[in-house]
Amino acid sequence: QSVLTQPPSMSGTPGQRVTISCSGSISNIGDNTVNWYQQLPGTAPRLLIDNDFERPSGIPDRFSGSKSGTSASLAISGLQSEDEADYYCATWDDSLNGYVFGTGTKVTVL
Amino acid sequence: QVQLVESGGGVVQPGRSLRLSCVASGFTINGFAFHWVRQVPGKGLEWVAVTSYDGSNKYYAVSVKGRFTVSRDNSKNTVYLEMNSLRVEDTAVYSCARGYCRDTRCYYFYGMDVWGQGTTVTVS
Repeated sequence: QSVLTQPPSMSGTPGQRVTISCSGSISNIGDNTVNWYQQLPGTAPRLLIDNDFERPSGIPDRFSGSKSGTSASLAISGLQSEDEADYYCATWDDSLNGYVFGTGTKVTVL
Repeated sequence: QVQLVESGGGVVQPGRSLRLSCVASGFTINGFAFHWVRQVPGKGLEWVAVTSYDGSNKYYAVSVKGRFTVSRDNSKNTVYLEMNSLRVEDTAVYSCARGYCRDTRCYYFYGMDVWGQGTTVTVS
């Protein structure tokens, strides 16, 4: 069981906006920056968001991150079929002295 | 081309040991933190361990602490994961990942930007 909780699944139609939540605590999200990763089927994860809301080079601006207190969110606007993947939030946890991944959210494009 | 390639996986009996290697190409590992992450097929990502950019700091998941050791050999551009006292629940695909750098800062508690394809460890 992860210390970061995400909804198991979400879905949307092409063009819609989907927002994935990530709930943590003071020792992780509350005190450290959040990353988001996308894992397409059969591939390695890709870093989508760094430092709560910053997009690494090459990441489309359809992906946006935000954080408030001990929760974070990833929004995907203008949903596309190629966005169908698993999404994970992650951050450092000061109590565990380690990096933690969220439980993961499978996004389906209808 | 920036790339990480893991090797060393296999089938091993409970209680035995295994050493995984992660060879980097297209860049030098000097100055980068490196993580090991594992994933059971069909399940979520589980962080395993990290070594800081200079090897001075190493942290482990509770589930592997005391059994696994992460190390690096900058001269060989390689990162290792020594796994001892293996358990059935350690069965997974193990991947190494390069720590992300913000400008010139490459702290171990940042995320990961380059991943290998993984090597499979089966404990049975």
